[in-house]
Amino acid sequence: EDQVTQSPEALRLQEGESSSLNCSYTVSGLRGLFWYRQDPGKGPEFLFTLYSAGEEKEKERLKATLTKKESFLHITAPKPEDSATYLCAPEGHDKIIFGKGTRLHILP
Amino acid sequence: EAGVTQSPTHLIKTRGQQATLRCSPISGHTSVYWYQQALGLGLQFLLWYDEGEERNRGNFPPRFSGRQFPNYSSELNVNALELEDSALYLCASIRGASTTGELFFGEGSRLTVL
Repeated sequence: EDQVTQSPEALRLQEGESSSLNCSYTVSGLRGLFWYRQDPGKGPEFLFTLYSAGEEKEKERLKATLTKKESFLHITAPKPEDSATYLCAPEGHDKIIFGKGTRLHILP
Repeated sequence: EAGVTQSPTHLIKTRGQQATLRCSPISGHTSVYWYQQALGLGLQFLLWYDEGEERNRGNFPPRFSGRQFPNYSSELNVNALELEDSALYLCASIRGASTTGELFFGEGSRLTVL
């Protein structure tokens, strides 16, 4: 059965304190892996798509990487506006499943 | 370009009633996904429609059903509502059945079952 696990569930950082979020997955026929950001009460907002192991993508303070079993979202020198829930979503051959997310809170 | 639109924004029903939620995908997108986001459970895959056909469904009972219309808009129906159906229902669209880019989400329909 396809599964995705994100860790940690919640993370509190001081502004400027870098860290990484983990996404472990077991998906048959992986086509790609998405990262999304979700603010309270809103729909998820697209960040990245990764297609193959070794691929990296960057956007402002965020960098996503992919291995055969995991993906990481690295946050460098975060700001309070980076506070949100970050969702990982691997796509298999017949559906896209989401992890429960990591709730990130950046303290000023 | 208009994004994914969902209606209604909020819906309050009582146990045993039926709820109908609607989704209009981005123009040119033929695939629609439905997800349930209940508190503390993350996004649970419900249904996937593409070109008017149901391609896959998640582990939900048959009282969760839907359809996709010729204009690619979609409808989610929940019959015999139960308290645990209270959740944010998210619709997302993508261009084609093969992933070539991002899944665009609407803002969701919040269903409350009393």
